[in-house]
Amino acid sequence: GAVVSQHPSRVICKSGTSVKIECRSLDFQATTMFWYRQFPKQSLMLMATSNEGSKATYEQGVEKDKFLINHASLTLSTLTVTSAHPEDSSFYICSAHRTGGETQYFGPGTRLLVL
Amino acid sequence: TQLLEQSPQFLSIQEGENLTVYCNSSSVFSSLQWYRQEPGEGPVLLVTVVTGGEVKKLKRLTFQFGDARKDSSLHITAAQPGDTGLYLCAGGRYGGATNKLIFGTGTLLAVQP
Repeated sequence: GAVVSQHPSRVICKSGTSVKIECRSLDFQATTMFWYRQFPKQSLMLMATSNEGSKATYEQGVEKDKFLINHASLTLSTLTVTSAHPEDSSFYICSAHRTGGETQYFGPGTRLLVL
Repeated sequence: TQLLEQSPQFLSIQEGENLTVYCNSSSVFSSLQWYRQEPGEGPVLLVTVVTGGEVKKLKRLTFQFGDARKDSSLHITAAQPGDTGLYLCAGGRYGGATNKLIFGTGTLLAVQP
């Protein structure tokens, strides 16, 4: 199978601090990973496409300076929420696209709560 | 902008009933996927349809892709409490080497025993 992990699974932080979320493909290489945001009982909204070795592509309305994405290897992408505020509290989900394949494999999500 | 509208938004039914969830768009997609998500977890892929008019069956679930590849439906026969969850359709858009997924608005299903 294709397994994607996220760390941490949940995090609570104070307003103004930065939080880093990791997304790893455990048993396959992923040239491309995607970051989504989901509010309670709502759908997933694509935030950005993370490409290994190049800059991420952000969706319209997503601040690239606030949500920093780094995809330094074929198995790891990180999302850093900088200067987090309570409105950034959400469920963040990543997915990994297997190199040469067609399917996205989703991680279990990270619950962020900003106080 | 949400390009995929799902209906109904919420659905509460009794065990054993049948139901259909619709996923509609004005855009054409290269593929259409259906996911089920439970609270606090990532979405789990149920099926991918790629051909207009395609019908796929997965036990009690039947998925159909519209002829024009703009809409899809999910039909569940004899629903069970274990079917409870958030059902999401997602349209694939080819963006270079990778398909971006645009998720639908979601349908929250509750099956009462």
